[in-house]
Amino acid sequence: DVKVTQSSRYLVKRTGEKVFLECVQDMDHENMFWYRQDPGLGLRLIYFSYDVKMKEKGDIPEGYSVSREKKERFSLILESASTNQTSMYLCASSLAGFAFFGQGTRLTVV
Amino acid sequence: EDKVVQSPLSLVVHEGDTVTLNCSYEVTNFRSLLWYEQEKKAPTFLFMLTSSGIEKKSGRLSSILDKKELSSILNITATQTGDSAIYLCAVEADAGNMLTFGGGTRLMVKP
Repeated sequence: DVKVTQSSRYLVKRTGEKVFLECVQDMDHENMFWYRQDPGLGLRLIYFSYDVKMKEKGDIPEGYSVSREKKERFSLILESASTNQTSMYLCASSLAGFAFFGQGTRLTVV
Repeated sequence: EDKVVQSPLSLVVHEGDTVTLNCSYEVTNFRSLLWYEQEKKAPTFLFMLTSSGIEKKSGRLSSILDKKELSSILNITATQTGDSAIYLCAVEADAGNMLTFGGGTRLMVKP
């Protein structure tokens, strides 16, 4: 059974904190993605990675960074969390156009 | 824990066929069900369903929600090769737009 696992389902962090969202996939996929989902805006791509140590900016990378040290793990980092980063974050991995999604992390920044 | 399951996992059809994709859910305090299409990197919103029994249509795509059965279907008629994509179902539950996504159905339409 294929799996994309996000480390937390719910997170509450304070403004200015450094936040790590972890995503692990067990399918040996090369491509991994981070999205955020906000009401009325759909899913927006933050960053993606085609291989270990490779990353590319998506549509809304500002305020975020990523790390891909191992193929199975793609981390999203909020260097200094702000209230406008309160959102649902979704991780995905894909191979040859077939994508699998994690269950999402609901982050609230207070 | 909230759960959304889509079936089939993948589907291969020929142009002109009609397909039906399924989404079932178990969530607390259901608010809405959303369908997305993912062809490239970011999924595209298709439908939002909140009321049972009311069909939403957009061209050859249509969707309906059955709250009694806790499920929804997405129909695509007269499929084209350009419909090849991953179709995602997501359910919003509780306040604060918490979404739970299904694993997706991978549709391939052959000429």
